[in-house]
Amino acid sequence: QSALTQPASVSGSPGQSITISCTGTSSDVGSHNLVSWYQQYPGQVPKVIIYEVDKRPSGVSNRFSGSKSGNRASLTISGLQADDEADYYCCSYAGGSSGVFGGGTKVTVL
Amino acid sequence: QVQLVQSGAEVKKPGASVKVSCKASGYTFTNYFMHWVRQAPGQGLEWMGLINPSNGNTVFAPKFQGRVTLTRDTSTSTFYLEVSRLRSEDTAVYFCARDLLYDGDYSYWYFDLWGRGTLVTVSS
Repeated sequence: QSALTQPASVSGSPGQSITISCTGTSSDVGSHNLVSWYQQYPGQVPKVIIYEVDKRPSGVSNRFSGSKSGNRASLTISGLQADDEADYYCCSYAGGSSGVFGGGTKVTVL
Repeated sequence: QVQLVQSGAEVKKPGASVKVSCKASGYTFTNYFMHWVRQAPGQGLEWMGLINPSNGNTVFAPKFQGRVTLTRDTSTSTFYLEVSRLRSEDTAVYFCARDLLYDGDYSYWYFDLWGRGTLVTVSS
């Protein structure tokens, strides 16, 4: 059960769109539409921003969107803002009632 | 108020055990799995395991099988994580996080409410 693969860092200018990838295997991301994404500021608790691949919890900005193709899930942040600067983690169900997180991606707003 | 309140920071010596608590309030205890996730200093999130509060059934990530115990006390709506044979690499913040159940034993596998975390430091 290896961690999902995310880029260590992604950056963009205000107003731009960025995409964070999350690559798994046919046993986790590829087999289940149970991928979620979390935003975490330094020293704070993670917050869910996407669940079941592309659903947004109430109160989460529609600038956040999720998708999946094969073994790869993606999080897109459109209209990048200064307060989007945070760490982002993907998480997938991996079968057998177990799950796995990605290694995390630090988003920098230039 | 819907919340998960975790116990305070712990300092343990290598080889010892630690038990962290997570008290749920403001929602129906048996409607949500409880997961445990840890985060070592400067590192990412790591899923450890889950417990079904209705029946106490547990599932663990392979690396924690045999060294981690998850329990719950239905009378106080409190969950417990115990890690034995601690080593320095177990120094981390340990979070509890809930996940909505359906059909008794299935969930949507996302964590909508987290505890604030418990720092466990393992040092000689």
